This record gives sequence, C-alpha cells and structure tokens, in this order.
Amino acid sequence: DTAVSQTPKYLVTQMGNDKSIKCEQNLGHDTMYWYKQDSKKFLKIMFSYNNKELIINETVPNRFSPKSPDKAHLNLHINSLELGDSAVYFCASSLGTVETQYFGPGTRLLVL
Amino acid sequence: QQQVKQSPQSLIVQKGGISIINCAYENTAFDYFPWYQQFPGKGPALLIAIRPDVSEKKEGRFTISFNKSAKQFSLHIMDSQPGDSATYFCAAVNTGTASKLTFGTGTRLQVTL
Repeated sequence: DTAVSQTPKYLVTQMGNDKSIKCEQNLGHDTMYWYKQDSKKFLKIMFSYNNKELIINETVPNRFSPKSPDKAHLNLHINSLELGDSAVYFCASSLGTVETQYFGPGTRLLVL
Repeated sequence: QQQVKQSPQSLIVQKGGISIINCAYENTAFDYFPWYQQFPGKGPALLIAIRPDVSEKKEGRFTISFNKSAKQFSLHIMDSQPGDSATYFCAAVNTGTASKLTFGTGTRLQVTL
C-alpha cells in the first residue's frame, strides 16, 4: 500500500562513483519531484516533472540527471559523486497542483 | 535568499502546553501556505494549510493563524503531546506559476512529559 516508494533506503558510496535512486508512486499523480534535505534539515527542491516533462530545474549541478520513464516513476542519477552530495533525497508526487505533495521515505546518501 | 523565514529553530514544550511556530514571507504572490510535519527517518507529510483569504484555520489541536498585512503566519499546537515531537516546516507557493513549494528552515519540536 506504499504511496511513494524509494530505493534504496540507504546508499553508501565512494567519491567519484555514479549512483541512481529510484522513485515510484502508485497514487495516479501526474507530477513528481526530487528534494534534497541537508544535514541542517533544510529542504530544497531540485527537479519537478509533470507528465514526464521537466518543468522545474533548480540550480543543481549537471552531475544530477533526472529521468522519468513514465508518470509513475522518477529516477535520479548522480555522476561523479562528491562529499557535498551527502544528504537525504526525497521523492514526492502531487496531482494537478503543487499544493498537496506526498513524500517518499527518503534515501540517505553518504559519500565517503 | 531565504524567502520564507521560520522561527524558532528548536522548541521544547511540556505535555499539555501550547507550541507556537512562526513564519514570515517576502513574496506577496504566494497564495497557499501549508505546514508539513516530519518524524525522524520519515518523509514530510502535509499537516494543515491555509489560503490568504482567511485569517485562521483549525483542524483538531492544530491551528494556523495568518496575518496578510504583516506577511506572517504561525502554527499553534494546543495541548501538545509527546507524539507531536517532530520537525515542522512551513512553506509557501504561488499556485499560479510553474509552482514550487518554498520551505522554511524547519522547527524541531520536543514535547516533554
């Protein structure tokens, strides 16, 4: 019955590696988001997709590339990982408007 | 530039007390103001939200007070319970544009016995 799911839940990797985080929602929503939450708990949007189309692309290094194969999935690929990429990454989704967003459980990324 | 300022950063309240978290915003185009609650190890979840055409909205023990002229809004948690211990985020959005939620910096609430 999970509404928004993310895999993996934890990700520990070395600097310079490439990794992906997957997100799936079964709510029938048409808009999906990626957020980064840093060690101070600050939440910042990274990307937003509506019906597989990119609509928000914040000032994020181009090492981060989102991919939406269909409306129910939004994956995040990160190239050449850096120490500063360590954070919790949340996927979220909404239907029609940005107002009510449903967040996934988060992926805790630690770059060593 | 922080468009939504939130205070305090942390708050300790005794069980049964009132928890108050304040937010202020700059952008007068914002027209929707939600509060999200985040428990440790979980994603944020929508708690309550308000639009600027009303000054107060109440849902159970949670109340949002909104002051449009001052560009401020606050969350009041009445009869605070240990189960309310979480991080609370205010947010704001202009629903008319290619919208995104702009979050405040969060308030870590601890309700003690």
